[in-house]
Amino acid sequence: IQMTQSPATLSASVGDRVTLTCRASQSVDKWLAWYQQKPGKAPKLLIYKASTLESGVPLRFRGSGSGTEFALTISSLQPDDFATYYCQQYHTDVYTFGQGTKLEI
Amino acid sequence: QITLKESGPTLVKPTQTLTLTCTLSGFSLNTVGVGVGWIRQPPGKALEWLAVIYWDDVTRYSPSLKSRVTISKGTSENQVVLTMTNMDPLDTGTYYCAHTKPADPGYFDYWGQGTPVTVSS
Repeated sequence: IQMTQSPATLSASVGDRVTLTCRASQSVDKWLAWYQQKPGKAPKLLIYKASTLESGVPLRFRGSGSGTEFALTISSLQPDDFATYYCQQYHTDVYTFGQGTKLEI
Repeated sequence: QITLKESGPTLVKPTQTLTLTCTLSGFSLNTVGVGVGWIRQPPGKALEWLAVIYWDDVTRYSPSLKSRVTISKGTSENQVVLTMTNMDPLDTGTYYCAHTKPADPGYFDYWGQGTPVTVSS
């Protein structure tokens, strides 16, 4: 299953509401996770099962979607949110990541 | 507190075999439902899932690397080992190991810091 994220790069400002999208080449039902990665650091799990917020992740992060279309919405960007975001499907026994969306100031 | 730490060589020559170890702390791979996976990231590029092993020794591999990669439990109860044969410069990158939640496999909630691997003669 191929995962396609868009846009590749998104420019935004502190306080903005942004939506990142992830599309699967075939249905993955709700088996999708989102990660945040900062330069030189390991990825951090934000959301799993498409819309379940991982413990400790701020409420401004929201995941939605099912099947082949998914979105990660950040309701009010904070300076700490500028990073690269990856989606990952785990519907099959072969897991795949998207190519990432870089969120920049 | 769950932590994972990768270790292994930082430089390997083309055609050599890479062996990386992930040392687990705060959990056991003998716990029902737990899994540990390996993910890599070439410089400036996206994450790529390589393999996963579960508490019951079930393993899964990326089809594109299945012929070259083996994941196994280490000789020590708290270790997971990744071997990759016939290394190529395109295999250069940071290699991460990561934990999957018991009974909720497929995504990774705790990650190691990553270990850099360069393939060069």
